[in-house]
Amino acid sequence: SYVLTQPPSVSVAPGKTARITCGGNNIGSKSVHWYQQKPGQAPVLVIYYDSDRPSGIPERFSGSNSGNTATLTISRVEAGDEADYYCQVWDSRVGFGGGTKLTVL
Amino acid sequence: EVQLVESGGGLVQPGGSLRLSCAASGFTFSSYWMSWVRQAPGKGLEWVANIKQDGSEKYYVDSVKGRFTISRDNAKNSLYLQMNSLRAEDTAVYYCAREHYGDFPPFDIWGQGTMVTVSS
Repeated sequence: SYVLTQPPSVSVAPGKTARITCGGNNIGSKSVHWYQQKPGQAPVLVIYYDSDRPSGIPERFSGSNSGNTATLTISRVEAGDEADYYCQVWDSRVGFGGGTKLTVL
Repeated sequence: EVQLVESGGGLVQPGGSLRLSCAASGFTFSSYWMSWVRQAPGKGLEWVANIKQDGSEKYYVDSVKGRFTISRDNAKNSLYLQMNSLRAEDTAVYYCAREHYGDFPPFDIWGQGTMVTVSS
């Protein structure tokens, strides 16, 4: 099965830029989706097809995908961005990364 | 409002059965593939199964094949997951999720989840 690797945690100060990576073999050839999940809540789609943003998601959220790494970038980080973030792709079936806990210092 | 509402979770003994339901509203349910995704306590997301718009195609993660059955009733705007021969490792919050249109789609709408606990 296709393995997606995320760092367990990322920390960033308010107002700074957070980058959360998702590694996979030639992931640049796949479409990557990103979800935000706050404690006790369902996941919310924040980026789809590598870099598209659903309506209602702030422009501070952006995505890129190339080579063996996809990246979710959150600019001007706010306290409310603190959450777990998951990447997702379709291989033979659906695969999720292990998740990254974003801590706002 | 586009909404998915799960129900049917609870405590069940190992080897037991449970049927989860997901009620959809606010969109044309019959036009979308639907999935079940689960999350064990303190763990990440795991896709469980999905079903085509008309129910003619169904796919499962290997760990539930032969034990779980996904189904839908488009007349009732409802998605189901019949879970048999439950194991402790099936303990999780189970979410139903709508697959967006297109190839390799994202899950654009999620329910709030229903908790399944398998324990004696």
